[in-house]
Amino acid sequence: NAGVTQTPKFQVLKTGQSMTLQCAQDMNHEYMSWYRQDPGMGLRLIHYSVGAGITDQGEVPNGYNVSRSTTEDFPLRLLSAAPSQTSVYFCASSYGAGGYTFGSGTRLTVV
Amino acid sequence: DAKTTQPNSMESNEEEPVHLPCNHSTISGTDYIHWYRQLPSQGPEYVIHGLTSNVNNRMASLAIAEDRKSSTLILHRATLRDAAVYYCILRDVTSYDKVIFGPGTSLSVIP
Repeated sequence: NAGVTQTPKFQVLKTGQSMTLQCAQDMNHEYMSWYRQDPGMGLRLIHYSVGAGITDQGEVPNGYNVSRSTTEDFPLRLLSAAPSQTSVYFCASSYGAGGYTFGSGTRLTVV
Repeated sequence: DAKTTQPNSMESNEEEPVHLPCNHSTISGTDYIHWYRQLPSQGPEYVIHGLTSNVNNRMASLAIAEDRKSSTLILHRATLRDAAVYYCILRDVTSYDKVIFGPGTSLSVIP
């Protein structure tokens, strides 16, 4: 049982490049979400999904796209990377009223 | 905005109990109270959650006020490994609404 797996763990992008952060869970959780955490700050919700085919925006969705074609996967796409998107990105999943399981994070630097 | 308020920071002596408060005066009847903690340079991890009754697990206890407008996470014997940021959040499981994290409480444990 791997839990929530995020790849890559580290990434450096140039301004304007695009990339996809991967998130996969093997717990059959219907709820998945993406958060970003800037240095010394709390978590901010980017996008979330309540099931396959359903996504919605969080607090800071601009510059990011998501899709949920399967229950297991919830990739986060950066369309045109900007230095302001330098952050640590966490994916989380949950089932029902249960607690979230978080991934170990992706540290992204945009230069 | 986060639906909960917590003190920015707290200190505790090692091997003493710690009571971390959380106010959630606008809580609804279907909101579960969740607690998470984030150790330095790690992703958040689930600690405990509850609806109305006090809850205990191997990590901590959760005491919920009778009117549910506040709760307290209790660490029975603080260790140096408990130094972390502790987040209190609300989850409405009937609507799967977006879950917003506040800045949390940074707990320091003094040897």
